[in-house]
Amino acid sequence: DQQVKQNSPSLSVQEGRISILNCDYTNSMFDYFLWYKKYPAEGPTFLISISSIKDKNEDGRFTVFLNKSAKHLSLHIVPSQPGDSAVYFCAASARGSQGNLIFGKGTKLSVKP
Amino acid sequence: DAGITQSPRHKVTETGTPVTLRCHQTENHRYMYWYRQDPGHGLRLIHYSYGVKDTDKGEVSDGYSVSRSKTEDFLLTLESATSSQTSVYFCATQRSAGYNEQFFGPGTRLTVL
Repeated sequence: DQQVKQNSPSLSVQEGRISILNCDYTNSMFDYFLWYKKYPAEGPTFLISISSIKDKNEDGRFTVFLNKSAKHLSLHIVPSQPGDSAVYFCAASARGSQGNLIFGKGTKLSVKP
Repeated sequence: DAGITQSPRHKVTETGTPVTLRCHQTENHRYMYWYRQDPGHGLRLIHYSYGVKDTDKGEVSDGYSVSRSKTEDFLLTLESATSSQTSVYFCATQRSAGYNEQFFGPGTRLTVL
């Protein structure tokens, strides 16, 4: 039973265009959502987060949107750069869960020059 | 970057042998986590600690034990390694539970023959 789903295993975009990565969740108790980026042979690095009281959070080229009614969030990267090529993980946690994160399976983003 | 190191970074062992992986942090974060990453599964929580000597099980804890005798160190032990425990293991830390991110170490690649 997958509580956090990233249904696209891979995504390819052209440099300078927008990358949109999607994530769906099933657990209504989730109230904090995060995106991590992972390069090969490295640990995941935190990118951006959003709490359930917001519907948008922006940090430079990265924006996360949360649609609670649809249980859906998305990460927008504008403009995309070749260095953004990595695996992106969506993660969620529920209040009272001691910070435990539930991760999606990841989406591999390739940004072509 | 929470100053997280993991040792060893790579290990090859045989089925049935005990294995201990070490995570060390320098940021005095209260919470520490062990995850494993496998193809098609994203990251899954094995065990976590919410303080010295305070630990609890995660989603995939069978066959693993942990110990935390000091704030900075969190050990993961495979009592009797099996081939199904071949994986990449990541340690993570978090300052406190709630709306803040986890920081990840560089990972340990474990192969059980």
